[in-house]
Amino acid sequence: GAVVSQHPSWVICKSGTSVKIECRSLDFQATTMFWYRQFPKQSLMLMATSNEGSKATYEQGVEKDKFLINHASLTLSTLTVTSAHPEDSSFYICSARPTWGRADNSPLHFGNGTRLTVT
Amino acid sequence: DQQVKQNSPSLSVQEGRISILNCDYTNSMFDYFLWYKKYPAEGPTFLISISSIKDKNEDGRFTVFLNKSAKHLSLHIVPSQPGDSAVYFCAASTNYDKVIFGPGTSLSVIP
Repeated sequence: GAVVSQHPSWVICKSGTSVKIECRSLDFQATTMFWYRQFPKQSLMLMATSNEGSKATYEQGVEKDKFLINHASLTLSTLTVTSAHPEDSSFYICSARPTWGRADNSPLHFGNGTRLTVT
Repeated sequence: DQQVKQNSPSLSVQEGRISILNCDYTNSMFDYFLWYKKYPAEGPTFLISISSIKDKNEDGRFTVFLNKSAKHLSLHIVPSQPGDSAVYFCAASTNYDKVIFGPGTSLSVIP
């Protein structure tokens, strides 16, 4: 089945530094990838839609200058948390949908997430 | 405003019995619905989906029912197994675009 790889799985950084998270679709191409954030015991909140070759679309309330998204190829999207602060500590999850056929045959597949802790 | 709702934060079921997880939505433009299973510190795993043109979809022990007029869907797991214990998220999308998740229901299957 479709596999999405996310790296790193966890990262600890100091306040004020930037962290990059990679999301790769391993066995399929994905024109669109999505970035979610999950706080403890809460739902997955969509942050932005990453479009290959164009600018990302951010959800309301998400700072585009803080969460930089780059989707340079059909298999790779990156999320960079710039000038991270403790309140950015969270579980970040990427997802991708194969660019084939009908969408009802190709649901979103998720990476295993990245636990970010900002000290 | 929460577009996808799961009003039961938790559910306990005896092994072998049926688990029924419920989901309600408010956006009538949603046309594709999915259920995901999630363990702590892992990404969600896709379980089953249904498009708005159907009212039932079955895959092994998992069946999803959709009632469009009531804007309600449910996931039935039968028979329930201890390995089914996890958080289950209902999700929905419009025109196969971005997927919006509900708050999740934590299912515990008791041996």
